[in-house]
Amino acid sequence: KAGVTQTPRYLIKTRGQQVTLSCSPISGHRSVSWYQQTPGQGLQFLFEYFSETQRNKGNFPGRFSGRQFSNSRSEMNVSTLELGDSALYLCASSSRLGASGTNNEQFFGPGTRLTVL
Amino acid sequence: AQSVTQLDSHVSVSEGTPVLLRCNYSSSYSPSLFWYVQHPNKGLQLLLKYTSAATLVKGINGFEAEFKKSETSFHLTKPSAHMSDAAEYFCVVSGPSNTGKLIFGQGTTLQVKP
Repeated sequence: KAGVTQTPRYLIKTRGQQVTLSCSPISGHRSVSWYQQTPGQGLQFLFEYFSETQRNKGNFPGRFSGRQFSNSRSEMNVSTLELGDSALYLCASSSRLGASGTNNEQFFGPGTRLTVL
Repeated sequence: AQSVTQLDSHVSVSEGTPVLLRCNYSSSYSPSLFWYVQHPNKGLQLLLKYTSAATLVKGINGFEAEFKKSETSFHLTKPSAHMSDAAEYFCVVSGPSNTGKLIFGQGTTLQVKP
């Protein structure tokens, strides 16, 4: 079974631009979560999608948005990029909504490294 | 609210010696707890998870962790370190049960010396 894939793996943008990142979950998984990883703040939850609906959102400004398609693929968009948005963006997929429980492991992709100049 | 504190930002051991990575958590309900590992330029891999079954949890690659409710701890151990264990390790607590949100500790870098 193929793992979680994220494209592109690396991106360089300039301040003020916008960017779209893509995540393809494991086949059959319907839940996709996004995380931002920076040296200063560590790993922080952005949002979670399940069945094309945003179910939960972290504490990020409205410049960060996402969506999920009927095939469970997800995209996240960051508008008006700031230098502080430079980070590794990770997505994770799971078969069910929720992180707890015996059989609901989250599988992470390799991430997209975004550099904002 | 839930939070996780990893007590050491950096741990250095010699190959073949035991590994101990310490983690304390805070949760307003019975949480699920996880340890993830991240190798350089790689995604996160689940090592093990505690979900209110056995308090001693065995994971992959010889790692195990013990859930101690009275101490609110979930320390990760391995009897004998291998060079390939060098990586960043994250202790993680689950958010509310209706969310996939995971709350990560700040991470512990494990260095393994030959």
